[in-house]
Amino acid sequence: DTEVTQTPKHLVMGMTNKKSLKCEQHMGHRAMYWYKQKAKKPPELMFVYSYEKLSINESVPSRFSPECPNSSLLNLHLHALQPEDSALYLCASSQDRGEQFFGPGTRLTVL
Amino acid sequence: AQSVTQPDIHITVSEGASLELRCNYSYGATPYLFWYVQSPGQGLQLLLKYFSGDTLVQGIKGFEAEFKRSQSSFNLRKPSVHWSDAAEYFCAVGGLDNFNKFYFGSGTKLNVKP
Repeated sequence: DTEVTQTPKHLVMGMTNKKSLKCEQHMGHRAMYWYKQKAKKPPELMFVYSYEKLSINESVPSRFSPECPNSSLLNLHLHALQPEDSALYLCASSQDRGEQFFGPGTRLTVL
Repeated sequence: AQSVTQPDIHITVSEGASLELRCNYSYGATPYLFWYVQSPGQGLQLLLKYFSGDTLVQGIKGFEAEFKRSQSSFNLRKPSVHWSDAAEYFCAVGGLDNFNKFYFGSGTKLNVKP
């Protein structure tokens, strides 16, 4: 299984809502990533988990809260988001220094 | 400064014509090099990668890329473009740290004329 899955595919939320994005991989990869991608831009790294520990936080606002419950699962908890947080959120995983495998993304709209 | 440059923001080619997308990087060591393709609203799909060895690498969908150390380049090529190749293409470098952080170019949008 060489797939990274993400749910939901689409999410619309108000600025006072709390929601979560989910990412799953069963390739045994030990590194997992959250990216934010705005239209016509490259992915922008948000967080890196390595061996289930948060290793990189690219100065992301605290309204985004990552969680890695186990080596296969990565969550992104969202609270009090702003309209400018609307974007495609991509999850990826990798083994060591190889290629990153990307999920299909969650299209988030904040009203 | 460390950077990945894709000089062409948009490229339009006719179906059946050849294609070359440019990528240059600026890092002290030779990084791992990747090309990804992204269709609208989708995730990124790996086309090919270079770690070491033969500088001409073959990928999926008939794509190939050539690593040129002297030019710090990793250009993507395809001899005959199909309409389904219309998408956004990203060059990326990685393997520079223990967390495999990737650095992406700004992307090249490929349009294919019928």
